[in-house]
Amino acid sequence: DAGVIQSPRHEVTEMGQEVTLRCKPISGHDYLFWYRQTMMRGLELLIYFNNNVPIDDSGMPEDRFSAKMPNASFSTLKIQPSEPRDSAVYFCASSPLDRADLLNGYTFGSGTRLTVV
Amino acid sequence: QKEVEQNSGPLSVPEGAIASLNCTYSDRGSQSFFWYRQYSGKSPELIMSIYSNGDQEDGRFTAQLNKASQYVSLLIRDSQPSDSATYLCAAHRDDKIIFGKGTRLHILP
Repeated sequence: DAGVIQSPRHEVTEMGQEVTLRCKPISGHDYLFWYRQTMMRGLELLIYFNNNVPIDDSGMPEDRFSAKMPNASFSTLKIQPSEPRDSAVYFCASSPLDRADLLNGYTFGSGTRLTVV
Repeated sequence: QKEVEQNSGPLSVPEGAIASLNCTYSDRGSQSFFWYRQYSGKSPELIMSIYSNGDQEDGRFTAQLNKASQYVSLLIRDSQPSDSATYLCAAHRDDKIIFGKGTRLHILP
């Protein structure tokens, strides 16, 4: 398996532009998570999906952030409009449904480093 | 109060010594706990998980859990320069994993 695949690896955009981050989870993993990592706040959970359905989006900072999972193999995180304070590394992670397997934690993608100027 | 707390470090340990990393959590309903290692510019990778009180050993790594004290620790024996990284403690409850901010570990050659 190729693991969790994120794109792009790096994104530089101007303030006010729309940004779309993409994630392909590991095949067969029913959970998908979006995290944001900054020096100040660490690794924060933004939203997660179970079987393509959003379960908890309480970590999404503002209405400018939205996430979708149209099918089991693809998810997007969109920021519109983007602001400099959105600059961070955004990670996608996936996990299997079986609770026993949750002891194996999540598998993270390589992340997208977003810079908003 | 943040749900998972760690000392940010840096923690400096001589090569070959034991590195001890600590973590506390606030949610008593947390079911299992993890230690992730993150090298600079890389994604977190799981190195240990534990869900029952006591010790869990894997090679040079030992995770310890004390639910009464809400305390998790990670011991790294025979520390190597390649162990220099940020170590993230995490607590799992209800399908979510919440991470601490991490402790930077520096192994001195």
